[in-house]
Amino acid sequence: DIQMTQSPSSVSASVGDTVTITCRASQNIHNWLAWYQQKPGKTPRLLIYTTSSLQSGVPSRFSGTGSGTDFTLTISSLQPEDFATYFCQQANSFPWTFGQGTKVEIK
Amino acid sequence: QITLKESGPTLVKPTQTLTLTCTFSGFSVSTNGVGVAWIRQPPGKALEWLAQFYWNDNRHYSPSLESRLTITKDTSKNQVVLTMTNMDPVDTGTYYCAQRLGKGGTGAFDPWGQGSLVTVSS
Repeated sequence: DIQMTQSPSSVSASVGDTVTITCRASQNIHNWLAWYQQKPGKTPRLLIYTTSSLQSGVPSRFSGTGSGTDFTLTISSLQPEDFATYFCQQANSFPWTFGQGTKVEIK
Repeated sequence: QITLKESGPTLVKPTQTLTLTCTFSGFSVSTNGVGVAWIRQPPGKALEWLAQFYWNDNRHYSPSLESRLTITKDTSKNQVVLTMTNMDPVDTGTYYCAQRLGKGGTGAFDPWGQGSLVTVSS
């Protein structure tokens, strides 16, 4: 199985800050990387797929970069509704696997 | 508009078999390129991919759970069903079904069902 490791596990930030979350794959996943946002008690929401493609309806302050084994999700100008947990997920090979999550908290 | 909704028992006893049904609308599981997955999340923990069914009847399972899982479809009812045998308290969590975004080439899930909370306890 491909292991997905996110860092940090949590980050404290203020409204207006830029937050960067990293996801590292245990082997080359090319660009098969997606990012999800999940709020407490809610269903995960797809933000980005194939590393950098923004899902319809997702604000442009969310962006993704990377390739191979190292990927980042950047949230520019953090908004109050962005405080949530973020998960990465690889789809290069089965079993598809998720990272352990990064919680973005209010400072 | 595509929607999915999970249904099944909220409480199962250890060693019992869990059957969850994903009922969807807005697409057919027989349409070229369509895929539907089951994903679970223990309380307060990360997401775990369990199984995936494709329009061409291909199936993929989590290797660690493969011996306990079966994923099937009922095209006439617009349903994908997940069966998990020999349930254990560690299997407690919210079980989601989700459609693979697009008909290939995205590797992501959207939309998701609302989730079905399953508790395993005697």
